[in-house]
Amino acid sequence: EAGVAQSPRYKIIEKRQSVAFWCNPISGHATLYWYQQILGQGPKLLIQFQNNGVVDDSQLPKDRFSAERLKGVDSTLKIQPAKLEDSAVYLCASSSAWGQLNTEAFFGQGTRLTVV
Amino acid sequence: DAKTTQPNSMESNEEEPVHLPCNHSTISGTDYIHWYRQLPSQGPEYVIHGLTSNVNNRMASLAIAEDRKSSTLILHRATLRDAAVYYCILNTGNQFYFGTGTSLTVIP
Repeated sequence: EAGVAQSPRYKIIEKRQSVAFWCNPISGHATLYWYQQILGQGPKLLIQFQNNGVVDDSQLPKDRFSAERLKGVDSTLKIQPAKLEDSAVYLCASSSAWGQLNTEAFFGQGTRLTVV
Repeated sequence: DAKTTQPNSMESNEEEPVHLPCNHSTISGTDYIHWYRQLPSQGPEYVIHGLTSNVNNRMASLAIAEDRKSSTLILHRATLRDAAVYYCILNTGNQFYFGTGTSLTVIP
């Protein structure tokens, strides 16, 4: 089965510019996650969707970050405007079911963002 | 909201067993213990998970303490390809909160 697809793989932007990342989860997976991973740290959960509804966005900096998952499939994560501290790898993951704690999550390869 | 504690780094000789410890003293009765690993420049990948009983799969074994406040990931024969950061995660409410993980170095 195809894995989680993310694009672009790399992005370099200047501070105060906008950027968007795209994620296509594994077909049929209801739950989608976006993580931010700063160099040397573990991934930090930004937002979690169940189908097209948000179930947890408590750690999303809502003044500059936004995410949507139209039709409960693909998702986009946007940063506007970007700051230097947003430089990180942005990971998308999906899992098959909500509420089943014994299901695994599948991760994409991530998008490496550099803000200069 | 990392709820697990792991050593920052460990070393192992190639083809020897590796025991990666994890403490999760605040675990609740319904939390599953998951382990993921992250190879350089890749996204995390699933290794194993369990609830109460010890678990085995083709990649590793998971030993869970009787009180569930700690667990150990066991790689039976470390290879160079096992060099990665290993994350122990409590899956609570279908959410995966990562800590800083253990960076495993495998020495040839």
